[in-house]
Amino acid sequence: ETGVTQTPRHLVMGMTNKKSLKCEQHLGHNAMYWYKQSAKKPLELMFVYNFKEQTENNSVPSRFSPECPNSSHLFLHLHTLQPEDSALYLCASSPFLAGPTAETQYFGPGTRLLVL
Amino acid sequence: GENVEQHPSTLSVQEGDSAVIKCTYSDSASNYFPWYKQELGKGPQLIIDIRSNVGEKKDQRIAVTLNKTAKHFSLHITETQPEDSAVYFCAAPKNARQLTFGSGTQLTVLP
Repeated sequence: ETGVTQTPRHLVMGMTNKKSLKCEQHLGHNAMYWYKQSAKKPLELMFVYNFKEQTENNSVPSRFSPECPNSSHLFLHLHTLQPEDSALYLCASSPFLAGPTAETQYFGPGTRLLVL
Repeated sequence: GENVEQHPSTLSVQEGDSAVIKCTYSDSASNYFPWYKQELGKGPQLIIDIRSNVGEKKDQRIAVTLNKTAKHFSLHITETQPEDSAVYFCAAPKNARQLTFGSGTQLTVLP
């Protein structure tokens, strides 16, 4: 399988549940990202990992907990979410080449999350 | 940080006509400008990008133009087809490793 894959594609959870989103990239990239996409809003960057190290946390509530065990896999652990957390969660990756050059990001299909 | 504004938010065109979406950015040091297309139920997919050392780039029916002086860049789609209907996002670098995205344009191509 090629590109960036995400599972599950759809998830319904209650506010007291614990669930995890999984992302896998097959592109040999070294940077991975979590974004939140809500209706009528721009893409919101949540977390950035470079070579498995978290380099960005955009003031994301602690009920979202990322994990990056290696450069190919990224998880988002969810715990005691709120209804306003319902959104499309997108994973992306980029090469992370040497030098401060802005790079193309490649997105997965997303996980549609509904919190009841 | 970068601020990206995208217009219009919705655009309807007749099949065969052209569509133009425009974005403005705030950081004059920005040097990379991608455009993404997001179809229903899918993640954004890169369709074309441009770096600041060129003013225009074409790929078949799609082109992007960049005006560094005015700090804006535009997506041009010619001979639109129904399959071009989607949400289009522009982006510019927030910093060396991150992108700031525009708010998106819902393009509808009417048969």
